[in-house]
Amino acid sequence: DTGVSQDPRHKITKRGQNVTFRCDPISEHNRLYWYRQTLGQGPEFLTYFQNEAQLEKSRLLSDRFSAERPKGSFSTLEIQRTEQGDSAMYLCASPGASTDTQYFGPGTRLTVL
Amino acid sequence: SQKIEQNSEALNIQEGKTATLTCNYTNYSPAYLQWYRQDPGRGPVFLLLIRENEKEKRKERLKVTFDTTLKQSLFHITASQPADSATYLCALAPNAGNNRKLIWGLGTSLAVNP
Repeated sequence: DTGVSQDPRHKITKRGQNVTFRCDPISEHNRLYWYRQTLGQGPEFLTYFQNEAQLEKSRLLSDRFSAERPKGSFSTLEIQRTEQGDSAMYLCASPGASTDTQYFGPGTRLTVL
Repeated sequence: SQKIEQNSEALNIQEGKTATLTCNYTNYSPAYLQWYRQDPGRGPVFLLLIRENEKEKRKERLKVTFDTTLKQSLFHITASQPADSATYLCALAPNAGNNRKLIWGLGTSLAVNP
């Protein structure tokens, strides 16, 4: 257990529905990352927060995707109007303050039918 | 173009042998390189970090080397055990620009047979 939690662990939804995932990072870590991973691939960077500020977004993150970290603690990732191509594992990670070692959560597996 | 490549084929070895996994990169000057283990359906777990000025790092049965001339890192598991079976990912932090965003390989699947 890395200390990073994600909820839900699994989500099955129908195409066109909206979904929201939550990540609770290690409490003293002020940086938080979201990644997407599909089978046989490495994690793909989606977005990065320093405290509550979203500092970078990948071009992969279409306008259907939005992420927030309102109080600099937990973060949410919302996907609107889901498509089958959104099916993936969504990973949250929080690095330590003095290191770039990424501590990953268990991920949320999204299946869009 | 910038690339990071790991052995694409799964590696099968016998218990007790040394597993060696390769990570090659092009067109980067990484500040450091990391290795992670990932089990099916779970997030990656950090194993080792090696910096650009380090040649070798060890942790228990694990050893990582970093050759910035060859643009290659090797990851070794000595006295391998079936419990070492997993996918191993390498990730590098590009030296230029934002060091906070890691670039990931696709991973190599390792199977250790009893």
